[in-house]
Amino acid sequence: DSGVTQTPKHLITATGQRVTLRCSPRSGDLSVYWYQQSLDQGLQFLIQYYNGEERAKGNILERFSAQQFPDLHSELNLSSLELGDSALYFCASSLGLLNSPLHFGNGTRLTVT
Amino acid sequence: GDSVTQMEGPVTLSEEAFLTINCTYTATGYPSLFWYVQYPGEGLQLLLKATKADDKGSNKGFEATYRKETTSFHLEKGSVQVSDSAVYFCALIDSGYSTLTFGKGTMLLVSP
Repeated sequence: DSGVTQTPKHLITATGQRVTLRCSPRSGDLSVYWYQQSLDQGLQFLIQYYNGEERAKGNILERFSAQQFPDLHSELNLSSLELGDSALYFCASSLGLLNSPLHFGNGTRLTVT
Repeated sequence: GDSVTQMEGPVTLSEEAFLTINCTYTATGYPSLFWYVQYPGEGLQLLLKATKADDKGSNKGFEATYRKETTSFHLEKGSVQVSDSAVYFCALIDSGYSTLTFGKGTMLLVSP
């Protein structure tokens, strides 16, 4: 058990809809990361937060947004969903120090129909 | 930019065979290197890491040595088990950053 909790485990929704994915980091970790895993793109870094502030941005679409709350949990919002957004979305957490290893949750599987 | 290249899978082995999964990287700085493993239906778990040249990371019988001269971090295990069947990801964090760059993953299938 990594200590990172993601909810829900599965989401099925229709194109054009909006969903929210939630992540609780490991106790003591200040940094949260979001990754998207798909068969064709592999693991793509989306965004990182550290203690409530955005720290780094990867290949995150404008339709997607995230935030980290004062209690350090994070939410990833996906809107105007398209079929191609179907993927596994992973949250990871770390101490946020340089070179700190990341600890991953079990992911949320999003299916857009 | 930074990148990680892994051998394509699947790698199919019999139990007790020797395993090598190749990984090479490019980085602008001086990265730390990691291997993660993903079992079916689960998230990624940190398997081992190395933070400087010639460091050897090891865990659960797996080993990898940070080779700066060849920019490589190959994963090895002397005798694989069926329970090692999973997808293995090589990754790096470049110096001055805290985000992981992953390779595409290599699936390992071990048969009895």
